[in-house]
Amino acid sequence: SYVLTQPPSVSVAPGKTARITCGGNNIGSKSVHWYQQKPGQAPVLVIYYDSDRPSGIPERFSGSNSGNTATLTISRVEAGDEADYYCQVWDGTSDHLFGGGTKLTVL
Amino acid sequence: EVQLVESGGGLVQPGRSLRLSCAASGFTFDDYAMHWVRQAPGKGLEWVSSLSWNSGYIDYADSVKGRFTISRDNAKNSLYLQMNSLRAEDTALYYCAKGHGSQHSGYMDVWGKGTTVTVSS
Repeated sequence: SYVLTQPPSVSVAPGKTARITCGGNNIGSKSVHWYQQKPGQAPVLVIYYDSDRPSGIPERFSGSNSGNTATLTISRVEAGDEADYYCQVWDGTSDHLFGGGTKLTVL
Repeated sequence: EVQLVESGGGLVQPGRSLRLSCAASGFTFDDYAMHWVRQAPGKGLEWVSSLSWNSGYIDYADSVKGRFTISRDNAKNSLYLQMNSLRAEDTALYYCAKGHGSQHSGYMDVWGKGTTVTVSS
């Protein structure tokens, strides 16, 4: 079955750029979506179809997808960006699949 | 405002049943696919089940297939999850999520706050 692999944690200083990866076999051929989940809250969609942003999501959030890796990039990181981030794909075989999640720590 | 409100969670013994509900408002419910996603304590997100706008497509994660049944009542703007033969590993916060379109594929653009299910004797 298809597997999405995320690093358990990423740390970044305020004002710097955070990159969170999501690995999968030929993931570039799939559409990847990203969710932000702050402690005690429900997930929030931050990127869909690899690189599109829902309304209300800051332009600092961007996404890319190629080859075996999709990446969520957060520019000019703020303390409020500290959260767990999950990638998700819809796979015709395995249906909806989430990565294991990455905890973003703002130093 | 688009809103999803889950209910029906609680403490239940292994082997028993529970029915979760999700009340939707702020959008045309019968235009969209709906999903259930769960999160065990301290763990990541796990997709549970999805159904298309007219229930023409329904699917389940292997971990719940044969035990859980998803359904919707478009007249009542409600989504349901009937959970039978519950196991300790079903203990989780269960989220209702709105699909971005009428079919089950793609992403989930709105999430409820979740309802907690605890399976324990």
